[in-house]
Amino acid sequence: DAGVTQSPTHLIKTRGQQVTLRCSPKSGHDTVSWYQQALGQGPQFIFQYYEEEERQRGNFPDRFSGHQFPNYSSELNVNALLLGDSALYLCASSSYENLGAFFGQGTRLTVV
Amino acid sequence: GEDVEQSLFLSVREGDSSVINCTYTDSSSTYLYWYKQEPGAGLQLLTYIFSNMDMKQDQRLTVLLNKKDKHLSLRIADTQTGDSAIYFCAESIRTGANNLFFGTGTRLTVIP
Repeated sequence: DAGVTQSPTHLIKTRGQQVTLRCSPKSGHDTVSWYQQALGQGPQFIFQYYEEEERQRGNFPDRFSGHQFPNYSSELNVNALLLGDSALYLCASSSYENLGAFFGQGTRLTVV
Repeated sequence: GEDVEQSLFLSVREGDSSVINCTYTDSSSTYLYWYKQEPGAGLQLLTYIFSNMDMKQDQRLTVLLNKKDKHLSLRIADTQTGDSAIYFCAESIRTGANNLFFGTGTRLTVIP
């Protein structure tokens, strides 16, 4: 079992550009959540996908959007990047049968 | 709203016990979790406790919950250098598909 996998591991983008991050959930999990972790902070919930729909959303602007595919994998898209979007983006997968969320290693996004 | 607070730093000697504390404000929290994050890595789920429990023990880990004071603690017995990491407590009101609210994390340093 590969666990939760994210790609790419590191990314550098220019302010104003758009970025897409990808996540494959742990085998058997059907729910994917995305978190933003700024340096020195705890992760903050962005949104969650289940059955290919956004089910819950945290306090993030519409520049942050996502998608879930039929195989449960997910993408996080961020438009019009700001310097403040620089962070570690974590994907977590879970299922309604299991407690807790399992996290990937994250994608380190740097906006210059 | 949800607010989870932790002290930022803790240093202990190898072989001693570590106690990491957390306070939360949302009385509707149903599940409380402890996660470990090593440098450059994602979050590893260590343990969890239901809000109707007072204590849970899992090998070297003991979780204590004081629901009246909304206080959660994680005790690590016989702390080892490999336990050096950042520890996050997190709360959720739902099982499975989690919208987790994290504290700022406690950086545990184990001195050989």
